[in-house]
Amino acid sequence: GAGVSQSPRYKVAKRGQDVALRCDPISGHVSLFWYQQALGQGPEFLTYFQNEAQLDKSGLPSDRFFAERPEGSVSTLKIQRTQQEDSAVYLCASSLRTSGSYEQYFGPGTRLTVT
Amino acid sequence: AQRVTQPEKLLSVFKGAPVELKCNYSYSGSPELFWYVQYSRQRLQLLLRHISRESIKGFTADLNKGETSFHLKKPFAQEEDSAMYYCALSGLRGAQKLVFGQGTRLTINP
Repeated sequence: GAGVSQSPRYKVAKRGQDVALRCDPISGHVSLFWYQQALGQGPEFLTYFQNEAQLDKSGLPSDRFFAERPEGSVSTLKIQRTQQEDSAVYLCASSLRTSGSYEQYFGPGTRLTVT
Repeated sequence: AQRVTQPEKLLSVFKGAPVELKCNYSYSGSPELFWYVQYSRQRLQLLLRHISRESIKGFTADLNKGETSFHLKKPFAQEEDSAMYYCALSGLRGAQKLVFGQGTRLTINP
């Protein structure tokens, strides 16, 4: 079946604009994660959903970042009033299980450039 | 604090030579350790995890709790092994966030 998909693949935003990044997880996957990957760095955790419940948002860098997954499937990461330091690749990953040994399947990422 | 350290940003070896990508971690408790790989123009994908104790594409990794290390090894490198490699850890219970190292770019020279 299809893997995790993300859209748009590339986004250029002017400083101060709001952006919305979409993630379509693998069908039936309960867990969904968002990560931020700055240039030359490894991915860093932003937030985690189990179905529609956001169980961990400890990695969101500021209150300008907001994520939702209202129906337990598609998720949107919204960044308000973008800043240059928000420029990064945003990765979404989904996992079938909620506990035990599991594998996270990653999407291709959305590359956000804030000018 | 949870931390993963990959001391080498770049590693270059010749085809047929042994490869070792280093990974050290700090974690309060018993983590699960992973190696993820990203080939050129492809998405991040799981290579192997310490719990399964298997060899994938000739790669192995042994968890050394005493040295808090999880080094990735392959006895004979192949050109198709050229990629970005990330070591990561998570907690053992529940669906846990991954904590990644900064990655090592491995280049296999012909």
